[in-house]
Amino acid sequence: EIVLTQSPGTLSLSPGERATLSCRASQSVSSSYLAWYQQKPGQAPRLLIHGASNRATGIPDRFSGSGSGTDFTLTVSRLEPEDFAVYYCQQYGSSPLTFGGGTKVAIK
Amino acid sequence: QITLKESDPTLVKPTQTLTLTCTFSGFSLSTTGVGVGWIRQPPGEALQWLALIYWDDDKHYSPSLKSRLTITKDTSKNQVVLTMTNMDPVDTATYFCAHRGVRGRDYFDCWGQGTLVTVSS
Repeated sequence: EIVLTQSPGTLSLSPGERATLSCRASQSVSSSYLAWYQQKPGQAPRLLIHGASNRATGIPDRFSGSGSGTDFTLTVSRLEPEDFAVYYCQQYGSSPLTFGGGTKVAIK
Repeated sequence: QITLKESDPTLVKPTQTLTLTCTFSGFSLSTTGVGVGWIRQPPGEALQWLALIYWDDDKHYSPSLKSRLTITKDTSKNQVVLTMTNMDPVDTATYFCAHRGVRGRDYFDCWGQGTLVTVSS
């Protein structure tokens, strides 16, 4: 089973700042099959990125994903008020599917 | 437009069996490449994948819960059912069903709102 470790646990930033979130896998993720989700309190997760770097439909271009192998990054170039939330990575390159523990992006 | 909705919140007693229904629209589970998964989230914790069923009736389960889970589909009713046996208070969580990614890969591009399952005597 691939274990995904997200860091930091909490990121305290101000609107307009850049957010850089890390997702590290315990072994290589096949074909960069890594997705990122955003979750706000009381809501279901929303898909942001699949295939490590492909934005999902309707996702603003301030969200970008990069990485391969065991190290992946989600970047939010300029935080908008609605971007403060918890972010999860998920690998789907091998079974079982696994999620990371999440990074909370909080308002500073 | 794809939508999914889980059955209503429920309270179950320890050792009982949980049955959850996901009712969806906007796609068919008889179409090649389509799949529906179940994911849960204990209060204040991270997401945990449980099971996934595909258009061809192939089924995958989380190894840690495989002995307790069964996933089935009813294509004519546009429903997917998850059963979990021998429920325990640690199974208290919000349970989500979700649509498999349109590119035929096992990420989830559309989610239901979730339903809270509470396990308590």
